[in-house]
Amino acid sequence: DAGVIQSPRHEVTEMGQEVTLRCKPISGHDYLFWYRQTMMRGLELLIYFNNNVPIDDSGMPEDRFSAKMPNASFSTLKIQPSEPRDSAVYFCASSFHRASYGYTFGSGTRLTVV
Amino acid sequence: QQQVKQSPQSLIVQKGGISIINCAYENTAFDYFPWYQQFPGKGPALLIAIRPDVSEKKEGRFTISFNKSAKQFSLHIMDSQPGDSATYFCAASVSGSRLTFGEGTQLTVNP
Repeated sequence: DAGVIQSPRHEVTEMGQEVTLRCKPISGHDYLFWYRQTMMRGLELLIYFNNNVPIDDSGMPEDRFSAKMPNASFSTLKIQPSEPRDSAVYFCASSFHRASYGYTFGSGTRLTVV
Repeated sequence: QQQVKQSPQSLIVQKGGISIINCAYENTAFDYFPWYQQFPGKGPALLIAIRPDVSEKKEGRFTISFNKSAKQFSLHIMDSQPGDSATYFCAASVSGSRLTFGEGTQLTVNP
């Protein structure tokens, strides 16, 4: 298995533009998590899905952020419009049966909003 | 109550030494305590995990010590190597639900 695949690896965009981050979880995993990592706030859970259904989106910072999981093999995190304070590394992780067997993280997308 | 407090923020150890990272929690319902290792440019990777029915778990040079009464757990890295230099995160969850992560410890092992 190739693990959790995220794209793009790096994204530089101008303030106000729409940004879409993509994630392909490990086949057979039924949970998918989106995290944001910054020096100031560490690892923050933004949203997670179970069987493609959003379960908890309380970590989504504001309405500019949205996430979808149209099928078991694909999820997107969209920021519209983007702001400089959104600059961070965004990780997608997947797991089988919640966290019981540990999360597998992707390599992340480093987002820079200028 | 959902927080996991991790210390120290950074740690420098000589090659061959013992690295010790500590975490404390308040929520007594937590029942799963993993440690993650993150190298620059990579996502965190599961290193070792423990459940509260045991006080210690060892995998190679990595050991988790768990003190249920004190609500603390720690990661010990024996014979630390330069290749262990990374950021380490403790975490906790209730019945396998969403993980709550500590703030992270940046470990540097000098050759």
